[in-house]
Amino acid sequence: DAKTTQPNSMESNEEEPVHLPCNHSTISGTDYIHWYRQLPSQGPEYVIHGLTSNVNNRMASLAIAEDRKSSTLILHRATLRDAAVYYCILYTANYGGATNKLIFGTGTLLAVQP
Amino acid sequence: DTEVTQTPKHLVMGMTNKKSLKCEQHMGHRAMYWYKQKAKKPPELMFVYSYEKLSINESVPSRFSPECPNSSLLNLHLHALQPEDSALYLCASSQHRGDPNYGYTFGSGTRLTVV
Repeated sequence: DAKTTQPNSMESNEEEPVHLPCNHSTISGTDYIHWYRQLPSQGPEYVIHGLTSNVNNRMASLAIAEDRKSSTLILHRATLRDAAVYYCILYTANYGGATNKLIFGTGTLLAVQP
Repeated sequence: DTEVTQTPKHLVMGMTNKKSLKCEQHMGHRAMYWYKQKAKKPPELMFVYSYEKLSINESVPSRFSPECPNSSLLNLHLHALQPEDSALYLCASSQHRGDPNYGYTFGSGTRLTVV
């Protein structure tokens, strides 16, 4: 499985933008970039995903480098409720395949200061 | 309904007990998953079910026995567990296994303590 590298922790101030980086230098052409977050005492929550183009949804934006070897999750205005562990995961397209798995790395612990 | 519901939320069991964890979804998802999460660690995949058939067993000890009675329900049967099996057990579902255009939906987990 292709791996991702994320900083162990980051800090942000409330109502400011947050840029969470992820490196995936061994990404293959069929790997989609998925982001999940896990709030304290809850299960992980899907945030966003993309393949090549930048993506926006109601929760966040995903900026993907042109060579796809890195990506950045952008929270436009951090709130206290965004304090969580953020996981960047490469998910290989393998429709109906036998080996496809969503494997979590260690993630980035985001602290948001009021 | 956009949720995965796990019961019970908390479970304390002895090493000789038999218990079951239950997971339910009504989103029409055809893939379901069990993960185990120890404190301050990322979730670890245990089992994958696709169309009610076991697709992946990540070398999980036989004291954990999964079951998928129908497309909405996933169980994890527990027997003769050890204290080191104490963890948060997470269930998840997705539209189809292997389709990266859909995210997984996770439940809130069952906090298991083995005494």
